Amino acid sequence: NAGVTQTPKFRILKIGQSMTLQCTQDMNHNYMYWYRQDPGMGLKLIYYSVGAGITDKGEVPNGYNVSRSTTEDFPLRLELAAPSQTSVYFCACKVSGSYEQYFGPGTRLTVT
Amino acid sequence: LAKTTQPISMDSYEGQEVNITCSHNNIATNDYITWYQQFPSQGPRFIIQGYKTKVTNEVASLFIPADRKSSTLSLPRVSLSDTAVYYCLVALSGGYQKVTFGTGTKLQVIP
Repeated sequence: NAGVTQTPKFRILKIGQSMTLQCTQDMNHNYMYWYRQDPGMGLKLIYYSVGAGITDKGEVPNGYNVSRSTTEDFPLRLELAAPSQTSVYFCACKVSGSYEQYFGPGTRLTVT
Repeated sequence: LAKTTQPISMDSYEGQEVNITCSHNNIATNDYITWYQQFPSQGPRFIIQGYKTKVTNEVASLFIPADRKSSTLSLPRVSLSDTAVYYCLVALSGGYQKVTFGTGTKLQVIP
């Protein structure tokens, strides 16, 4: 039981490049989230999903896209990377009705 | 979403009890209060949740006064491994789709 896994752990992108951050959970939780955390700051919600096929914007969705075709996977897509997207990205999941989110180890992304 | 306010940082010696207070003046009737802990280079970890009065688990206690405009996370007899950032969140009961983590309280435990 791996919980929430994220790949890659680290990535350096050039401005304008695209990439997909992968998130997979084996907990069969219907809610999934993507957050970003800038140095010394709290986490900001990018997108979330309440189940397969259902996604919605969080606080800072601009420059990102998501999809949720299965319960297990919730990839985050960056289309045109910008230096402002340099951050640590965390994926999380939880069951409906619970307040406990389970977080992955994070992906550290640098855009130069 | 209710806004929360916490102290930016706190220091404590090992073995002492630490109390971190969070202010949430505009908390709604159905909102629950949750606390998370985050170590450097790791995702946050859920500690405790509560609605009113007192909740205790194996890690911490959560005290919520009757007006629910604040809450206090209590960590008994802290050790160096409790050095972390602690976040207070207020979330809508039954929903909890959108939550925001503020800047949290950075707790430094001193030997």
